[in-house]
This record gives sequence, C-alpha cells and structure tokens, in this order.
Amino acid sequence: GAGVSQSPRYKVAKRGQDVALRCDPISGHVSLFWYQQALGQGPEFLTYFQNEAQLDKSGLPSDRFFAERPEGSVSTLKIQRTQQEDSAVYLCASSLPRSKNIQYFGAGTRLSVL
Amino acid sequence: AQSVTQLDSQVPVFEEAPVELRCNYSSSVSVYLFWYVQYPNQGLQLLLKYLSGSTLVESINGFEAEFNKSQTSFHLRKPSVHISDTAEYFCAVSDGGSNYKLTFGKGTLLTVNP
Repeated sequence: GAGVSQSPRYKVAKRGQDVALRCDPISGHVSLFWYQQALGQGPEFLTYFQNEAQLDKSGLPSDRFFAERPEGSVSTLKIQRTQQEDSAVYLCASSLPRSKNIQYFGAGTRLSVL
Repeated sequence: AQSVTQLDSQVPVFEEAPVELRCNYSSSVSVYLFWYVQYPNQGLQLLLKYLSGSTLVESINGFEAEFNKSQTSFHLRKPSVHISDTAEYFCAVSDGGSNYKLTFGKGTLLTVNP
C-alpha cells in the first residue's frame, strides 16, 4: 500500500476487555514502531521491531501490553484487561533499515476504555 | 533520556502573517531533529528533518527550521502562513546512540485565521 495502514480507526472497549490493534507497514519497511499518544500529549515510544524480532519493548507501560510481528510484516498490539488509563491514540510507524529515525506514521487507532 | 519542550501549546495567527513555533531539546552529544505535522483525524506527517550538514533545513511548502546547537533549539518558521497550515505541529528528537527512538514534544496547535 501507499502508506502505513491501521485498523480499526476507533475502538471502544469496556474496562477489563482485551483489545487487538493492527498495523500494516509500508511494503519493504523492515522496521516497525508503536507509539501511544494520550490526549493533549505528544506520542510516546512503546516498542520496536526489526523484521519479526522485537528489539526494544522498554516503553510498554505494563505486562498487559503485548506486541507481535510473527512474519515480519503486519504487527498487532494487544492490550489485556483494559483500564481507563489505556485510553489514547495508538500510532504505528515504519521505516527503512538504514534510516530508522525517519519514520512514516499511520493515522492511528483511537482507543476509548469505558 | 532526551526531552523536548515546545513552549507554546497554541499559536493563533492571521493569514499571510509570519509564524515561529518554538522547540528546545535536552542536550546530547549528537541529535537528529524533526518536525511533524498532524492534520485533524490524520497521522503524523514528516515536515522536515535535520540529520547533519547545513543547520537550516526547508520543507516543500515553505516552512524552515534552524538547528542551533548552542541554544539547543530547532524552531520552525514560515514567513507567510495559509489557512491550510492549520494543524498540530510536533517537534521530535532522536539521539545518535539509539538512532530510532523518537522523543516528541507535547505539540503546538497552529490556528490560521482569515
């Protein structure tokens, strides 16, 4: 595709439910990133993949957050037992391996936990 | 850890007026600096970047930013704004060490009025 695609665009969950957010990176981009953007804040780094390997998960806020990229393309961010503080926009970005800090972002998934 | 300060949360201006959006970052041995723009309901788009070389960088739509190492600043400027420039602008930094983790400021909402 032409850009990074994320689905769903909007997700409403009841507190305690599990959610799964999907990211399709730009074709050929082996690096993939997840960020969390709370209301009125800038995005904050969550995790980084190089192909299927999760090389950095230092930004994941708790063990309820889990990300995977089993075939080195599509990635899924899973949040278990959602809490109200998980409400945010979750952004996915991808980049070429030689310019990992030049990242192309998707439109994000807005998660609202009630 | 890096930090980014965007001094103005909101900047209202009239069409065709000049604008400056301020950004300061915490010092590091080497940094890469970015400005991203976010239009309503859209993802982050890379506006311009400083990686090395000339300290003045320009975008295709008339924005420019200057890397000032002594003042640890990377302010964004445009001599004459259009209504279509209304958006949220985020300054971001990555350090030379990790080279992939972007640290963002909280954003500046630029509103261009007729």
